Amino acid sequence: KQEVTQIPAALSVPEGENLVLNCSFTDSAIYNLQWFRQDPGKGLTSLLLIQSSQREQTSGRLNASLDKSSGRSTLYIAASQPGDSATYLCAVRPDSNYQLIWGAGTKLIIKP
Amino acid sequence: NAGVTQTPKFRILKIGQSMTLQCTQDMNHNYMYWYRQDPGMGLKLIYYSVGAGITDKGEVPNGYNVSRSTTEDFPLRLELAAPSQTSVYFCASTHDPGQGGGYTFGSGTRLTVV
Repeated sequence: KQEVTQIPAALSVPEGENLVLNCSFTDSAIYNLQWFRQDPGKGLTSLLLIQSSQREQTSGRLNASLDKSSGRSTLYIAASQPGDSATYLCAVRPDSNYQLIWGAGTKLIIKP
Repeated sequence: NAGVTQTPKFRILKIGQSMTLQCTQDMNHNYMYWYRQDPGMGLKLIYYSVGAGITDKGEVPNGYNVSRSTTEDFPLRLELAAPSQTSVYFCASTHDPGQGGGYTFGSGTRLTVV
């Protein structure tokens, strides 16, 4: 059974720092992996999608990498800003179906 | 504005009561999903639909029912509310799950069962 883990559960850093969020999964038979952002009281926003054949994806200050063989993905945020404060979730779509298996998220606080 | 609309935003139910959580999307997406999110946990899939008239169970379907009579609407029904169903419920849709980035989420329904 696929399980997705995100460590740490919470992270607080000063503004301007570069940071890395981690996501690990137990079964390497994945179709793709996605990173989402969740703001309090709001829905989720898709940030980056990495297909299983890809190694990384970039969007602005965000870079996501994927190492299928080791079951890990990282989300790199450059030059963090207070507006980046949110909970970041990763989700894995298995090869076998349309479902997404979710991590519990990392709550990120960027201090001004 | 295009997107996924969920109603209500908040609801308190008594044990044994029933209710329907509404979800509507105006993007002509075939794929729609209902998730629940418990505090400190990831999202769990309740039910999903790949098109009008087609629904299937997700990871945690017990205590819930769905229907998909139109492309736009995907209501979630709770028949006999239980405290274990206290959670935040999210509806989502996508045109093609293989592309992933096209997932659109509603803003959620916070349900408390007392």
